[in-house]
Amino acid sequence: NAGVMQNPRHLVRRRGQEARLRCSPMKGHSHVYWYRQLPEEGLKFMVYLQKENIIDESGMPKERFSAEFPKEGPSILRIQQVVRGDSAAYFCASSPGTGGSNEQFFGPGTRLTVL
Amino acid sequence: AQSVAQPEDQVNVAEGNPLTVKCTYSVSGNPYLFWYVQYPNRGLQFLLKYITGDNLVKGSYGFEAEFNKSQTSFHLKKPSALVSDSALYFCAVRGNYGGATNKLIFGTGTLLAVQP
Repeated sequence: NAGVMQNPRHLVRRRGQEARLRCSPMKGHSHVYWYRQLPEEGLKFMVYLQKENIIDESGMPKERFSAEFPKEGPSILRIQQVVRGDSAAYFCASSPGTGGSNEQFFGPGTRLTVL
Repeated sequence: AQSVAQPEDQVNVAEGNPLTVKCTYSVSGNPYLFWYVQYPNRGLQFLLKYITGDNLVKGSYGFEAEFNKSQTSFHLKKPSALVSDSALYFCAVRGNYGGATNKLIFGTGTLLAVQP
């Protein structure tokens, strides 16, 4: 049973370019979460999605960031016009249901470097 | 607002000695508490969780954690540390109990260094 898959593992972009980060949840999981880890900091929640729905985007920056989890295919975190401050590790997690007791399973992360 | 505090940036312990990594929390209602471990350049691995029931929770790799409601703490423990336990440890609490979100609120992490 494959775990949470994220790609690419490393992504380098120049300022002003777009970054697309992909996440495939564990088999049977319909809930996806995105977190960002800045250097020397803990993880900060960004967005929580179910298939075709954004449930909570309270942690998403108001501009340039968007996320989707389509009916088919992986979840996508999209960052437009990247800036150096976007350099971070972006982690995706998935869980099987809405129960708060369900642990979230994390992917290996995508490390974004903005030059 | 919900929050988690890990008061120690780093914990140093000799191999074979017991270890404790501290965590305190602030939530409304009953907390769901989690511990995760992160090895360099890797994602987070789930260690254990407290939902309800026994205050002492046992998890992976010989780790356990004690839930203390009066002190609002959830300290991670292991009776005998291994060098391979050296990693970054995160405590987390599930936020927003009244709503639909399941987002986790993480502490800032504690680096555990086990010396041979």
